[in-house]
Amino acid sequence: AQTVTQSQPEMSVQEAETVTLSCTYDTSENNYYLFWYKQPPSRQMILVIRQEAYKQQNATENRFSVNFQKAAKSFSLKISDSQLGDTAMYFCAFTPLLYSGAGSYQLTFGKGTKLSVIP
Amino acid sequence: DVKVTQSSRYLVKRTGEKVFLECVQDMDHENMFWYRQDPGLGLRLIYFSYDVKMKEKGDIPEGYSVSREKKERFSLILESASTNQTSMYLCASRGPYGNTIYFGEGSWLTVV
Repeated sequence: AQTVTQSQPEMSVQEAETVTLSCTYDTSENNYYLFWYKQPPSRQMILVIRQEAYKQQNATENRFSVNFQKAAKSFSLKISDSQLGDTAMYFCAFTPLLYSGAGSYQLTFGKGTKLSVIP
Repeated sequence: DVKVTQSSRYLVKRTGEKVFLECVQDMDHENMFWYRQDPGLGLRLIYFSYDVKMKEKGDIPEGYSVSREKKERFSLILESASTNQTSMYLCASRGPYGNTIYFGEGSWLTVV
């Protein structure tokens, strides 16, 4: 079974500064996807960024980037130029590539990191 | 625009009632999931389904059952609601090859 660990229950950052949220995972799979999701107070889950395990290049979406270390099973999210609208819960998630094996239907989340952006 | 719709956003039920939470997706996805979300515990998987009439238990299936009679609909059933099932319930579906996940807006259930 896969596990996802987010070791920082809460974090805060000054507006316009940079913050990094950590995520580690454990799996025996070789092909998988990793995600960061944002959940604002409205509770709607919003995809922030996705990383394919077979890609060595770290994914980037505007102010959001990841540091993917496959050997270390680490997947951290960096938010640059933090904005008040970034205040939310952030969840790291893992899923194996579909049809890759018996465990490929799992979709596992960490417990989340509550990020507050301070004006 | 892809969509996962949860029929009820807010419900209040009495202890012992049978509760149905419905989730419908319009993307012809095979994989669908039910999670409950509680503060400090993140999203915990209750059940998932990988095809019509196929289901698997997740991490916390006790007190719940599911139904998947049609591909687009995945229902979560609380046979006899209890106060410790007060929570937010999230439905999700997963796209082909697993690289996209879509969520419903969540259903807040209060059991009194």
